[in-house]
Amino acid sequence: TQLLEQSPQFLSIQEGENLTVYCNSSSVFSSLQWYRQEPGEGPVLLVTVVTGGEVKKLKRLTFQFGDARKDSSLHITAAQPGDTGLYLCAGARGGSNYKLTFGKGTLLTVNP
Amino acid sequence: NAGVTQTPKFRILKIGQSMTLQCTQDMNHNYMYWYRQDPGMGLKLIYYSVGAGITDKGEVPNGYNVSRSTTEDFPLRLELAAPSQTSVYFCASSYKYRDSGELFFGEGSRLTVL
Repeated sequence: TQLLEQSPQFLSIQEGENLTVYCNSSSVFSSLQWYRQEPGEGPVLLVTVVTGGEVKKLKRLTFQFGDARKDSSLHITAAQPGDTGLYLCAGARGGSNYKLTFGKGTLLTVNP
Repeated sequence: NAGVTQTPKFRILKIGQSMTLQCTQDMNHNYMYWYRQDPGMGLKLIYYSVGAGITDKGEVPNGYNVSRSTTEDFPLRLELAAPSQTSVYFCASSYKYRDSGELFFGEGSRLTVL
């Protein structure tokens, strides 16, 4: 059973377009993180959201945590080729917060 | 600042061979983890450690062993390698901060079992 479902699995867009990727679960998480992974590298943390309804912005990236803390979204405005990569969401649950559950990821390709 | 260092980066094993993936971190983090990443499957936790001398199983521990004799090092041992263990392995560490400890990952070790 996959606790965190990410969609879409693959996304290929042109430079300048906007996009949203989703991370959904039937479970409540105490916090949720988004990582980006480039080929041949380990994932790198982009953001952590902790409060239900929280919105965080990182330049052209906007992250939202659902009110019920079961889902999250990542919106990218005016995508650039440098945004290409695998986007992973990871949730922490209650007392086991040092063990993250990862989604399968969304592989984003931004074409110039 | 090296962060998390994994060796080797690539390795080919024959079925039944054993090997150790090395991981060291220089950030004085208490928490360390081993994940495996298969295509389209995200990251699966193999083992983790909350401090020197303390280890515990994750989601997919079968066929692996770990030890944590120092804060810095967390080696992963593969015994009797099988084709199902072909994967990319990532070591990570974190300094737990409230409920949102950031994971710092190494660059990965790509293992092929033939």
